[in-house]
Amino acid sequence: DIQMTQSPSTLSASVGDRVTITCRASQSISGYTAWYQQKPGKAPKLLIYKASSLESGVPSRFSGSGSGTEFTLTISSLQPDDFATYSCQQYNSYPYTFGQGTKLELK
Amino acid sequence: QVQLVQSGAEVKKPGASVTVSCKASGYTFTGYYMHWVRQAPGQGLEWVGWINPNSGETNYAQKFQGRVTMTRDTSINTAYMELSRLRSDETAVYYCARDRTSLWSLGDLDYWGQGTLVTVSS
Repeated sequence: DIQMTQSPSTLSASVGDRVTITCRASQSISGYTAWYQQKPGKAPKLLIYKASSLESGVPSRFSGSGSGTEFTLTISSLQPDDFATYSCQQYNSYPYTFGQGTKLELK
Repeated sequence: QVQLVQSGAEVKKPGASVTVSCKASGYTFTGYYMHWVRQAPGQGLEWVGWINPNSGETNYAQKFQGRVTMTRDTSINTAYMELSRLRSDETAVYYCARDRTSLWSLGDLDYWGQGTLVTVSS
């Protein structure tokens, strides 16, 4: 199985900050990476697919990049609604796997 | 608007089976693969498998082979996931989620159900 390792596990930041979350795959996944946002007690929400494509309706302050085995999610200017947990997913090969999550908290 | 509405919480004993349903509305049910993903308390997401609602074809994660069965009823736009021989460490929220791509499984998931908590306890 492909392991997806996210860093950091927890990130403390302030409104207006630019933040970056990294996901490393244990082998190349050809850009088949998605990023999700999840709030407590709620289902995940798709933000980014195919490494850098912004899902419809998602604010443009979210962006994704990367290729091969390293991928990043960047939020350009944190808003109060952005404090949540973010998870990456690879869907290059079965079984699809997710990172363990990065909790973004208010500093 | 696309909606996936799941059945309610379940409490099961170890060794029992559970069936979770997922009723879809707002789109052509047979046009998009349906995935199941679970999340244990405080843990990350884990992919269980998918079903093609059009053909009934399924693809399960190796870990669940032999214990999971995914089915669908196209007359009522509902997908089902049955997991048998439950263990106490399988207490989790089980989600259904629609594949973003029409007609085949690419694997990114654009709409999710609200989740169903399955508690496994003696």
